[in-house]
Amino acid sequence: AQSVTQLDSHVSVSEGTPVLLRCNYSSSYSPSLFWYVQHPNKGLQLLLKYTSAATLVKGINGFEAEFKKSETSFHLTKPSAHMSDAAEYFCVVSERADSWGKLQFGAGTQVVVTP
Amino acid sequence: SQTIHQWPATLVQPVGSPLSLECTVEGTSNPNLYWYRQAAGRGLQLLFYSVGIGQISSEVPQNLSASRPQDRQFILSSKKLLLSDSGFYLCAWSPTRQSYGYTFGSGTRLTVV
Repeated sequence: AQSVTQLDSHVSVSEGTPVLLRCNYSSSYSPSLFWYVQHPNKGLQLLLKYTSAATLVKGINGFEAEFKKSETSFHLTKPSAHMSDAAEYFCVVSERADSWGKLQFGAGTQVVVTP
Repeated sequence: SQTIHQWPATLVQPVGSPLSLECTVEGTSNPNLYWYRQAAGRGLQLLFYSVGIGQISSEVPQNLSASRPQDRQFILSSKKLLLSDSGFYLCAWSPTRQSYGYTFGSGTRLTVV
């Protein structure tokens, strides 16, 4: 079984300061991990994914995440927040043994960026 | 390149009325297809997934049904809507038998009144 926990439901940052969104997962098999972003009333956009290659994954819009197996974590970071980063972010896990490709979503972290 | 289309974007329907939401994928064949619902203030819940024409799996018991009449078409339906069916519905696709992430449609905001 797989599950994912996003440790913060809301994060508020000032423009230009670092962003950290925390995610812990559990998985019976080697997981694939993803971060998605959702702007209001929009679909979800893939930011980045980890699928067993390099543990530090770079994504779009300056985001990156590090897979730490020992800590079962996949935290998302960005060095400098932009106003356009205000959105909801979802950490997602999928077991690669699951051939149907079903994803398990975290509850989401709402990011607010203040000027 | 692959694209996914979902419509309508918004829908307001009375309780007891039928529902049909459509999703189509272009630029790929034999995709895995998924319907998710996102209720206000909650995460995404997988409703249905399909690995081929006519093959539908339901994740949770509910007032909804899904069909896949063609390889790249996925339809979400209800015979009689309930107030609790309100939410944001998202269609998604992924490559067959791979878990490399989904591509999502733009979503349908359904309000049942």
